[in-house]
Amino acid sequence: NAGVTQTPKFQVLKTGQSMTLQCAQDMNHEYMSWYRQDPGMGLRLIHYSVGAGITDQGEVPNGYNVSRSTTEDFPLRLLSAAPSQTSVYFCASSGLAGGADTQYFGPGTRLTVL
Amino acid sequence: AQSVAQPEDQVNVAEGNPLTVKCTYSVSGNPYLFWYVQYPNRGLQFLLKYITGDNLVKGSYGFEAEFNKSQTSFHLKKPSALVSDSALYFCAVIPGGGSYIPTFGRGTSLIVHP
Repeated sequence: NAGVTQTPKFQVLKTGQSMTLQCAQDMNHEYMSWYRQDPGMGLRLIHYSVGAGITDQGEVPNGYNVSRSTTEDFPLRLLSAAPSQTSVYFCASSGLAGGADTQYFGPGTRLTVL
Repeated sequence: AQSVAQPEDQVNVAEGNPLTVKCTYSVSGNPYLFWYVQYPNRGLQFLLKYITGDNLVKGSYGFEAEFNKSQTSFHLKKPSALVSDSALYFCAVIPGGGSYIPTFGRGTSLIVHP
């Protein structure tokens, strides 16, 4: 199993550009989520999904869109990049299992917005 | 709403000495508690979790954690630290009762000195 994969590993954008961060998992997990990690802020939840066709907002959703057309994929779209979105982005997945399941994280995407 | 506190941004310990990384939480009901570790430029990896049963939980790499309901704590411990244990450690809580969205602490940087 590849687990959770993310592409790209690094990305530099100019203010106003758009892009999509890809996330895929091969564990047939129902729950997928996106976090951003900033120094001193820990992990903050952006969006999450409990299955194909179902998404919801997390703590910091503004400026980001998601969709979940398949169980495996959960892309994160930046509509118009801003310097405040410079961060490291992690995708995670887990089986729902009533909440007791372990989160599996991807390796991250380091995004810089100039 | 649930919350997790990791009161120390950084913990320093000499190799061979015992280590403790602290975590306290605030949730209603019976929580599920997790510890994750992040090595530089990597995603988070699962260490251990408490779901129910014995309050002392043993996990990967010789780590253990004790669930203390009266003190609402879940401190991570290891009897003898290794330089390779140096990393960022995150505590996470899920409230239970059907909830599945974890809340993460801000992380504690563990530095083990040779």
